[in-house]
Amino acid sequence: GESVGLHLPTLSVQEGDNSIINCAYSNSASDYFIWYKQESGKGPQFIIDIRSNMDKRQGQRVTVLLNKTVKHLSLQIAATQPGDSAVYFCAEIISGNTPLVFGKGTRLSVIA
Amino acid sequence: DAMVIQNPRYQVTQFGKPVTLSCSQTLNHNVMYWYQQKSSQAPKLLFHYYDKDFNNEADTPDNFQSRRPNTSFCFLDIRSPGLGDAAMYLCATSRDGRRGGREKLFFGSGTQLSVL
Repeated sequence: GESVGLHLPTLSVQEGDNSIINCAYSNSASDYFIWYKQESGKGPQFIIDIRSNMDKRQGQRVTVLLNKTVKHLSLQIAATQPGDSAVYFCAEIISGNTPLVFGKGTRLSVIA
Repeated sequence: DAMVIQNPRYQVTQFGKPVTLSCSQTLNHNVMYWYQQKSSQAPKLLFHYYDKDFNNEADTPDNFQSRRPNTSFCFLDIRSPGLGDAAMYLCATSRDGRRGGREKLFFGSGTQLSVL
């Protein structure tokens, strides 16, 4: 769904630790999910995606988990680095060719 | 490198003065989008073009218009900007959705609009 409110949830992580960013979605018909990273003053950047027929997908240092039962998506970042500091958005495609809908963002701050 | 380019990076306009934001792409993607993003919020889709087919979101104000003269360029026109229209405007592209792939959006760096 759309983000509302003025304050982003913030996750602070020590450099080198793993990060887990969570996202809840509301539409059980959603069949495709993407995580985007947005650094300050830049547009969102694609990180990783997953289709609804999967429950896990791994990339370089990132893993996305999908739990369709509870409509929950998570992004795991291994060995978090200062360059990972950004706002992370989950996004979903509800069906077919409908445009992407962004969920609420989470600000990740990495403590050196 | 192929990319999505937005100009200008920062735009200042006066209350009620029409303003146009520009987007160009070298990806040759069929679909182009305009999103509005306010501080600490998720990007909100205003409208998108599937080739020349314009698709407006139901809650996009009439104050916002768009033009796509060719595959490479897309413009966002704000006819009478209000203070509430101050935001980051993001352009994005994706390839032909009918063969799959519309989901993966490529974003420009955005234009930060200030309204005085």
